[in-house]
Amino acid sequence: AQKVTQAQTEISVVEKEDVTLDCVYETRDTTYYLFWYKQPPSGELVFLIRRNSFDEQNEISGRYSWNFQKSTSSFNFTITASQVVDSAVYFCALSEPFRDDKIIFGKGTRLHILP
Amino acid sequence: NAGVTQTPKFQVLKTGQSMTLQCAQDMNHEYMSWYRQDPGMGLRLIHYSVGAGITDQGEVPNGYNVSRSTTEDFPLRLLSAAPSQTSVYFCASSYSITTGGNEKLFFGSGTQLSVL
Repeated sequence: AQKVTQAQTEISVVEKEDVTLDCVYETRDTTYYLFWYKQPPSGELVFLIRRNSFDEQNEISGRYSWNFQKSTSSFNFTITASQVVDSAVYFCALSEPFRDDKIIFGKGTRLHILP
Repeated sequence: NAGVTQTPKFQVLKTGQSMTLQCAQDMNHEYMSWYRQDPGMGLRLIHYSVGAGITDQGEVPNGYNVSRSTTEDFPLRLLSAAPSQTSVYFCASSYSITTGGNEKLFFGSGTQLSVL
């Protein structure tokens, strides 16, 4: 069965530091999708990125970047020059669309950006 | 743009009571799902649906029922509430799960449920 591990339960960094959130996944399929979502203190869940298993290009969006490495089954998320507004819980998720229709989430990493 | 609407936002139940959490979306999304969020446990999938008339179990389905009679609505029923069902519940939808891929999920704002 698919599985997502976010080993970092909680991280604190000082503002302007770079921080990387780890995501390791397990799947038996060759076709799968990976996602990151953000949950700020207000509680809503916000989509950040979707990546399919055939696209190993790293992606950058402003201060956010994602490093997808199939060799290590990882899809890590880096925030550069962190800001207080980045404080949130971040979730990694995995789907195996040709096996079932479940989207499974990791336990999340709570990120504190200290001013 | 309403998106995904969940009601109620807060609910307190006594053990053994039943209730229905409502979820509606106005985006004509085929896929809908329910998650529960507990401290340290992340988001766990309860039930999901790929279209009207079709539902399936997720990771933690026990104690919950769902039905999908229309594309827009996907209610979650607690038949006999237990303290272990105290949680924050999120409904989510996406355009399609059947195109060979998975689209991003749009989430509702959540329902905070306490069972005493």
